Amino acid sequence: GENVEQHPSTLSVQEGDSAVIKCTYSDSASNYFPWYKQELGKRPQLIIDIRSNVGEKKDQRIAVTLNKTAKHFSLHITETQPEDSAVYFCAASPSGGGADGLTFGKGTHLIIQP
Amino acid sequence: DGGITQSPKYLFRKEGQNVTLSCEQNLNHDAMYWYRQDPGQGLRLIYYSQIVNDFQKGDIAEGYSVSREKKESFPLTVTSAQKNPTAFYLCASSIAPGRSYEQYFGPGTRLTVT
Repeated sequence: GENVEQHPSTLSVQEGDSAVIKCTYSDSASNYFPWYKQELGKRPQLIIDIRSNVGEKKDQRIAVTLNKTAKHFSLHITETQPEDSAVYFCAASPSGGGADGLTFGKGTHLIIQP
Repeated sequence: DGGITQSPKYLFRKEGQNVTLSCEQNLNHDAMYWYRQDPGQGLRLIYYSQIVNDFQKGDIAEGYSVSREKKESFPLTVTSAQKNPTAFYLCASSIAPGRSYEQYFGPGTRLTVT
């Protein structure tokens, strides 16, 4: 089955700096890669996603890049703010479209230092 | 708030007892999912259902059972056969396989078994 590795497990950055979280996946058939943000005790919420026919996608301060050849994708957050502090999860869809569920990385705890 | 409800928010049970977690959605979504989250871990797929009266095992189905008798409901039973049932359980839904990829999560049920 699919295996998703996520790094780092904890990331501390100064407010205003950029943060980058990286994930690798194992199943070359995967074609959907979402990123979720989870605040303490809350539900995960989708912040951005990318499909395999696109190399990069941007939404204001958040961007995701995908390298299908190397089987890795990354989340980039620019101009970080205190409200960006949370746990971020990457995921991959082994069957395409997420129909068979998602395989998640173990998460990155992002800490924004004032 | 996303149209997916889970009840109760907190659940306490004695070891050896079966317990059923509720998940209801009014989004008219075809697909529904159950994930388990442990501290410091990503989400792991337990069961999923793409259509009424049909469901599939995920990566960690042992010790769990589900039913999908109605489109809007996907209850999860944690049986006494589950070795480590204490966890945060999250239900999710998506519109339909092939039509939309995004999974929407419920608020979760935190189960404690002693």
